[in-house]
Amino acid sequence: AQKVTQAQTEISVVEKEDVTLDCVYETRDTTYYLFWYKQPPSGELVFLIRRNSFDEQNEISGRYSWNFQKSTSSFNFTITASQVVDSAVYFCALSERGRGAQKLVFGQGTRLTINP
Amino acid sequence: GAVVSQHPSWVICKSGTSVKIECRSLDFQATTMFWYRQFPKQSLMLMATSNEGSKATYEQGVEKDKFLINHASLTLSTLTVTSAHPEDSSFYICSADSGIVGELFFGEGSRLTVL
Repeated sequence: AQKVTQAQTEISVVEKEDVTLDCVYETRDTTYYLFWYKQPPSGELVFLIRRNSFDEQNEISGRYSWNFQKSTSSFNFTITASQVVDSAVYFCALSERGRGAQKLVFGQGTRLTINP
Repeated sequence: GAVVSQHPSWVICKSGTSVKIECRSLDFQATTMFWYRQFPKQSLMLMATSNEGSKATYEQGVEKDKFLINHASLTLSTLTVTSAHPEDSSFYICSADSGIVGELFFGEGSRLTVL
């Protein structure tokens, strides 16, 4: 079965610190997708990134960066120079192929609090 | 970009009543949509896969007679919580499969409170 583990339940840092959110996954599929979503208090899921299993290049988008390592089945997310607006719950997710469509398996989420 | 809309965004109802939540794909057709449930401070758990023109597929432990899913068109799936009880209070969120590998779009979510 597919599984996503976010071992860090809650993280609290002071503004401007860098913070890394860990994500470890399990799958037997050779083709899969990994996602990160941000969920602010309002509840909607904000898409951050999608990475397919054949692309191990790290990605940087502004203050956000992602490190994908198939060897350790990890897809970690780093926020550089954190800001109060980054406070939210962050979910890592894995796509699961089923009947030609895709459904996501989510990690438990990491609640990130950035203190001023 | 593609947009998935959910309605209502929040609803309060009395115990024993039924509540319908709509999930619409606004600018693409979705033969498959997914319904998730999220209890406070927990992760999103898949409830069911909604297939256009056929019966929904429910995850283990989800009562199909309580959570009725209808996917009558390529742009609309509905979730009806029948005879709602306080334990059904949760955040329900849908996603739509665009048909493009790896592209999924989520609705804004619907917060249900059953009194």
